[in-house]
Amino acid sequence: GENVEQHPSTLSVQEGDSAVIKCTYSDSASNYFPWYKQELGKRPQLIIDIRSNVGEKKDQRIAVTLNKTAKHFSLHITETQPEDSAVYFCAATPDTGRRALTFGSGTRLQVQP
Amino acid sequence: NAGVTQTPKFQVLKTGQSMTLQCAQDMNHEYMSWYRQDPGMGLRLIHYSVGAGITDQGEVPNGYNVSRSTTEDFPLRLLSAAPSQTSVYFCASRLGVATDTQYFGPGTRLTVL
Repeated sequence: GENVEQHPSTLSVQEGDSAVIKCTYSDSASNYFPWYKQELGKRPQLIIDIRSNVGEKKDQRIAVTLNKTAKHFSLHITETQPEDSAVYFCAATPDTGRRALTFGSGTRLQVQP
Repeated sequence: NAGVTQTPKFQVLKTGQSMTLQCAQDMNHEYMSWYRQDPGMGLRLIHYSVGAGITDQGEVPNGYNVSRSTTEDFPLRLLSAAPSQTSVYFCASRLGVATDTQYFGPGTRLTVL
């Protein structure tokens, strides 16, 4: 089955700096890669996703890039703000078999004011 | 729409007790799943269902049962609780295919003594 690895496990940045979180996946059949943000005590919520026929997607301060050849994808947050502090999870899934999301282990992002 | 709802929010069990975690969605989603979240391990799939009457095992199914008698409801049963089942449990749903947005419920925090 799919295996997703996520790095780093913790990331501390100064307000206004950029943050980058990287994930690798193992199943070449995976074709959907969402990113979720989870604030303390809350449910995970989708912030951005990318499909395998696209190399990059941007939504205001958030962008995701995908390299299918290398089987890795990354989340980029620019001009970080204290409210960006949360745990971020990447995930991957093929549209075959279980079609279930396999999640990375999460990155705790701390934005220092 | 209430989205994905879960009850209870918190539960404390003694080893050997059984209980059912409830999950419901009002979005007419075909695909529903249960995850457990443990520190440093992301979200791991317990069971999933692609539609009413159809369920299958995920990554960590031992000690849990599910059923899907209606499209709306997907309860998770702990047969004989063990301390290793102490975790936060999230129910999730999506319309159908893997690329549909997956929505999470608010979670149930379970402690087994």
